[in-house]
Amino acid sequence: QQQVKQSPQSLIVQKGGISIINCAYENTAFDYFPWYQQFPGKGPALLIAIRPDVSEKKEGRFTISFNKSAKQFSLHIMDSQPGDSATYFCAASKSGGSYIPTFGRGTSLIVHP
Amino acid sequence: NAGVTQTPKFRILKIGQSMTLQCTQDMNHNYMYWYRQDPGMGLKLIYYSVGAGITDKGEVPNGYNVSRSTTEDFPLRLELAAPSQTSVYFCASSHSDSSGGAFFGQGTRLTVV
Repeated sequence: QQQVKQSPQSLIVQKGGISIINCAYENTAFDYFPWYQQFPGKGPALLIAIRPDVSEKKEGRFTISFNKSAKQFSLHIMDSQPGDSATYFCAASKSGGSYIPTFGRGTSLIVHP
Repeated sequence: NAGVTQTPKFRILKIGQSMTLQCTQDMNHNYMYWYRQDPGMGLKLIYYSVGAGITDKGEVPNGYNVSRSTTEDFPLRLELAAPSQTSVYFCASSHSDSSGGAFFGQGTRLTVV
């Protein structure tokens, strides 16, 4: 059972465009929703995260939008750059007790110059 | 502060051989995890630990074993390697609450032939 569903599996965007990656979760107990960025040959690294008490969080060109009622959250990359080309994973977990992140399957983003 | 360190980075095993993937962290994190990453399948949790002396199975534990004798170290043991264990393995750690997300090592690329 896949608790976090991520789409699309791959995404190609032109430089300067907006990249959008979507995730949906099932467990309403989840209360922490991070996004990770992974470059080839490297481990995933935390990019940005949100808690369900806010609907949006922005850090530079990266924005998370969160829809609690729909149990969905998305990553928006504004003014996408070739250096943003990487695999992006969404994740979900619940704080308190065991924090065991559940990951989506990942989105391979390619930004063409 | 090295973060999460995994060794080795690459390894080729013959079917039936055994090996230990080493993982150590210097952030005094209570929680540690082992994931395997296969193309298009995201990160699958193998085992996790919420503190020294405590380990538990994740989603795909068969063929693996772990131990957690200290806060810093969380080795993963492969017994009787099989081709299905060809994968990239990531160790990660986090605080016991969900703040700051999980920190990942650089990964170990294992091929079983």
